[in-house]
Amino acid sequence: SYELTQPPSVSVSPGQTARITCSGDALPKQYAYWYQQKPGQAPVLVIYKDSERPSGIPERFSGSSSGTTVTLTISGVQAEDEADYYCHWGVFGGGTKLTVL
Amino acid sequence: QVQLQESGPGLVKPSGTLSLTCAVSGGSISSSNWWSWVRQPPGKGLEWIGEIYHSGSTNYNPSLKSRVTISVDKSKNQFSLKLSSVTAADTAVYYCARDTAMVTGWFDPWGQGTLVTVSS
Repeated sequence: SYELTQPPSVSVSPGQTARITCSGDALPKQYAYWYQQKPGQAPVLVIYKDSERPSGIPERFSGSSSGTTVTLTISGVQAEDEADYYCHWGVFGGGTKLTVL
Repeated sequence: QVQLQESGPGLVKPSGTLSLTCAVSGGSISSSNWWSWVRQPPGKGLEWIGEIYHSGSTNYNPSLKSRVTISVDKSKNQFSLKLSSVTAADTAVYYCARDTAMVTGWFDPWGQGTLVTVSS
C-alpha cells in the first residue's frame, strides 16, 4: 500500500496563484489526477494524466509533475475556486482546503 | 453524456448490509470502462471502495475487501455495491463513478452521491 500526502490547507487572495502539492513514492512512475469538490457536491475531475484538462475546465487550472511530487496550479484564483482539492492515483490524497481570502 | 445516479436505503442498522445501486445513463455499462464506488465520511476525505468491469471482474480496497461485493447488471445498465457487517464507521456519502482504467484510472463523471447512515 502507498500514500499520497497533501497539505491540509492553502490560502490565497483573489487574482493570485495557488499551488497545491501531492507527494507519493509511486508518483514518478505514474500519472496523477486532481478533483475539485465544493461543499455538498460530488467531486469534479479538473486534471488528468498530470496536466490534461477535461473539457469545460478553465485554462487557469494546470498540473505538473516533478519527481515524487505533482502540483495543481490555479492561476488568477477566483472566489469560485474555493473548494477542497484531492489528488488521486489508485488512492486519494487527504485533500487540501483552498481558501480564497 | 454519461450520467450516474446512486440509489438505495439511507439508513442501515449496525451489523446489517448496506446495498446501493448506480444507474448509468447516456452510455453503455459494457463500454471499455471500469465502474467504481467511492465513499466520504462526514467531514472527511475520499476513500476508494472498489471497481467492476462489465465482464464481472472486480478489484477491491484491501481494507474493505472482506466485506465488499460489487456486481453488474448489464441488462439494466447498472452496477451495485454491498457492504456487510456495517458499523457507525461506515456512515458516509457513497458515490459511484466511471473509472477509466483498472485500479489506477481517473474518475469522470461521478454520481451526485447518497448519504448512508448506520444507526439503530
